[in-house]
Amino acid sequence: AQKITQTQPGMFVQEKEAVTLDCTYDTSDQSYGLFWYKQPSSGEMIFLIYQGSYDEQNATEGRYSLNFQKARKSANLVISASQLGDSAMYFCAMREGDTGGFKTIFGAGTRLFVKA
Amino acid sequence: NAGVTQTPKFRVLKTGQSMTLLCAQDMNHEYMYWYRQDPGMGLRLIHYSVGEGTTAKGEVPDGYNVSRLKKQNFLLGLESAAPSQTSVYFCATSGGAYEQYFGPGTRLTVT
Repeated sequence: AQKITQTQPGMFVQEKEAVTLDCTYDTSDQSYGLFWYKQPSSGEMIFLIYQGSYDEQNATEGRYSLNFQKARKSANLVISASQLGDSAMYFCAMREGDTGGFKTIFGAGTRLFVKA
Repeated sequence: NAGVTQTPKFRVLKTGQSMTLLCAQDMNHEYMYWYRQDPGMGLRLIHYSVGEGTTAKGEVPDGYNVSRLKKQNFLLGLESAAPSQTSVYFCATSGGAYEQYFGPGTRLTVT
């Protein structure tokens, strides 16, 4: 069963505006971690932001913030003041538990297009 | 400090041929992972390792074997390549529960 769901295959945003990329997850673990990665057209995977399941505050990293709603099992990525360089594929991912190799499951991704 | 490197970057194989992909890291991380990325499916875990001399199956292990004889290297083998194994392969490492660091990927085509 798919445990990470990204319902937006593609998103458009105007440069300098904010955009929210949706992610919902499913787990029975109490301890888990949520990640967002960026994959530009060049292909590399770039870590953006991390949220632990016990973290009470939403994670922020520069222009990136993670809107963590535990009861709804959602972990949306908010990018503020979009830039042309933000055009890329974005993956939501989840690490279940605290042991067992820290395996991570990835969603199918959302392709973001930033318009000038 | 190279981080995570993968060899080769590109490869074309014929059905039935074998090959080994090499992942090397200089980050002294215990955990290493092999993923494949197919269009529209995100990354799927093939095999992983929690330390030197250990390996374990991930989500899609069939048709692949791995070895971790040295802490810094994680090898992915295809004994008899099939067209369904055409994909981009990523290696990743982590020091624990937090982010993974990815190599640049290997684009493999099996004809």
